[in-house]
Amino acid sequence: DIQMTQSPSSLSASVGDRVTITCRASQSISSYLNWYQQKPGKAPNLLIYAASSLQSGVPSRFSGSGSGTDFTLTISSLQPEDFATYFCQQSYSTPRTFGQGTKVEIK
Amino acid sequence: QVHLQESGPGLAKPSQTLSLTCTVSGGSISSGGYYWSWIRQHPEKGLEWIGYIYYSGSAYYNPSLKSRVAISVDTSKSQFSLKLSSVTAADTAVYYCARWKDDHIGRFDCWGQGTLVTVSS
Repeated sequence: DIQMTQSPSSLSASVGDRVTITCRASQSISSYLNWYQQKPGKAPNLLIYAASSLQSGVPSRFSGSGSGTDFTLTISSLQPEDFATYFCQQSYSTPRTFGQGTKVEIK
Repeated sequence: QVHLQESGPGLAKPSQTLSLTCTVSGGSISSGGYYWSWIRQHPEKGLEWIGYIYYSGSAYYNPSLKSRVAISVDTSKSQFSLKLSSVTAADTAVYYCARWKDDHIGRFDCWGQGTLVTVSS
């Protein structure tokens, strides 16, 4: 199985801050990497696919980059509705695996 | 817009079989290019892919659960189902159904709201 490791596990930030979350794969996965946002009590929601493609309807302050084993999700200016947990997920092979999540909290 | 809705008992007894159904509306479950998936999330934990099925019936499972899992599809009812046998407390989780878009990248692009299943006697 491909292991996905996110860092940090949690972070505190203020509205307007630039936030960066990292995801590392245990082997090269090219650009087969997706990002999801999950709010408390809700299902995850797709933000970014293919490492850097923005899902329809997702605000442009979200962006993704990376390839191979190292990937980044960036929120350019954190908004109140962005406080949530973020997961990466590899689509390179089965079993489909997720990172453990990064919780973004209010500072 | 496609909508997915999980249904089934919220409580299962140890050693018994957990059964859930996902109903797809707003789109055809028989549309090519999608797999219909089950994913679970243990309390305050990460996400675990259980498996998925194509409308034709071809299914793929997580090896960690494969011996206990069966996913089936009923296109006439626009539903797909999960059966997880020999459950223990470790199977207590929120279970999500989701749609996997099977293009050259692949992604879970639509999710149900999730249903909590507790395994307890």
